[in-house]
Amino acid sequence: DAGVTQSPTHLIKTRGQHVTLRCSPISGHKSVSWYQQVLGQGPQFIFQYYEKEERGRGNFPDRFSARQFPNYSSELNVNALLLGDSALYLCASSQEAPMNTEAFFGQGTRLTVV
Amino acid sequence: AQSVTQLDSHVSVSEGTPVLLRCNYSSSYSPSLFWYVQHPNKGLQLLLKYTSAATLVKGINGFEAEFKKSETSFHLTKPSAHMSDAAEYFCVVSDKDNRLAFGKGNQVVVIP
Repeated sequence: DAGVTQSPTHLIKTRGQHVTLRCSPISGHKSVSWYQQVLGQGPQFIFQYYEKEERGRGNFPDRFSARQFPNYSSELNVNALLLGDSALYLCASSQEAPMNTEAFFGQGTRLTVV
Repeated sequence: AQSVTQLDSHVSVSEGTPVLLRCNYSSSYSPSLFWYVQHPNKGLQLLLKYTSAATLVKGINGFEAEFKKSETSFHLTKPSAHMSDAAEYFCVVSDKDNRLAFGKGNQVVVIP
């Protein structure tokens, strides 16, 4: 079975641009969460979606948005990119309604803003 | 809000000697706790998890952790380090909606 897949694996953007990151959860998983990992730090929670509805949002500006599609895949969008948005963006999927079930992580998208 | 403290951002151990990574948590209710490992250019992998069952939790690759409520700790141990254990380790606490709060991580170096 395929694990959590994220695309692209790497990308470089210029300040002020917009970026879309994509995530496909493990088959059968209905919950997707997004995390930002800045170099040298632990991942920080950005969004959680379950059954296509937003269930939670971390302390990130409105430039960050996300959505989940009927097939449970998800997109993370970031507008007006800043240098500080450079990070590894991780997607995690879990099987059921968020109740302490194990989260499986993708390998991430490395975003560099120049 | 839940939070995790991991001291010793960098830990060096000799191959064959014990590994101890310390984690203290803060939670407003009975937490679920996890340890994840991140190898270079790889995704996060779950080592073990505590979800209010046995306080001593055994994980993969010989790792184990003990939940101590009185000390609000969840330290990770391994009796004998292997070269393949070189990686970054994260202690994680989950809130009731399964949103994960990560510690800053321990970068483990294994010396041959």
